[in-house]
Amino acid sequence: EPEVTQTPSHQVTQMGQEVILRCVPISNHLYFYWYRQILGQKVEFLVSFYNNEISEKSEIFDDQFSVERPDGSNFTLKIRSTKLEDSAMYFCASGPTSGGKETQYFGPGTRLLVL
Amino acid sequence: GESVGLHLPTLSVQEGDNSIINCAYSNSASDYFIWYKQESGKGPQFIIDIRSNMDKRQGQRVTVLLNKTVKHLSLQIAATQPGDSAVYFCAETSYGNKLVFGAGTILRVKS
Repeated sequence: EPEVTQTPSHQVTQMGQEVILRCVPISNHLYFYWYRQILGQKVEFLVSFYNNEISEKSEIFDDQFSVERPDGSNFTLKIRSTKLEDSAMYFCASGPTSGGKETQYFGPGTRLLVL
Repeated sequence: GESVGLHLPTLSVQEGDNSIINCAYSNSASDYFIWYKQESGKGPQFIIDIRSNMDKRQGQRVTVLLNKTVKHLSLQIAATQPGDSAVYFCAETSYGNKLVFGAGTILRVKS
């Protein structure tokens, strides 16, 4: 069964450093998402991406964040200058072609720890 | 109100019993709802979904009920098994594509 994959599974970084989180969505999906989950809290939407551009973003997704689909398979989230409060699990998700209002399938997540 | 931090509601059930997990949503414009299961250290796993033009949908051992009048969603798990132990989230979409997640409920299955 196809699945969303993410790398790395864990990332430790120093405050102020840049990190890139990587995702490989399910191959025939066209809608891509990043969510985050601070420890013990609910999953929060960050950004959605379709047709090579951001379609929606939350207040969390400020100028320090960016997304990119550099090739036909990868989808990345970059945090330019990490802050302590960026420590969280980051989940990539993808959805099938029909308008995006369908089930989103989540990857296993990257646990980011900012020291 | 919202559950914050580690204070998620917990449902403890005996193995073999049925479980009912509830979720309230506030946006009357929401038209698509999904239940996800999240095991420790893993991403949310799709369980079942329902559209706003339906009030009930059944899957394998799971049933989702939607009451739009009171903006309430429930997940019923039949013959609960130890492998069902996890945190369960409801999620909704109202416009655009983003999912809005509820706070979650911890399900503990006692053998």
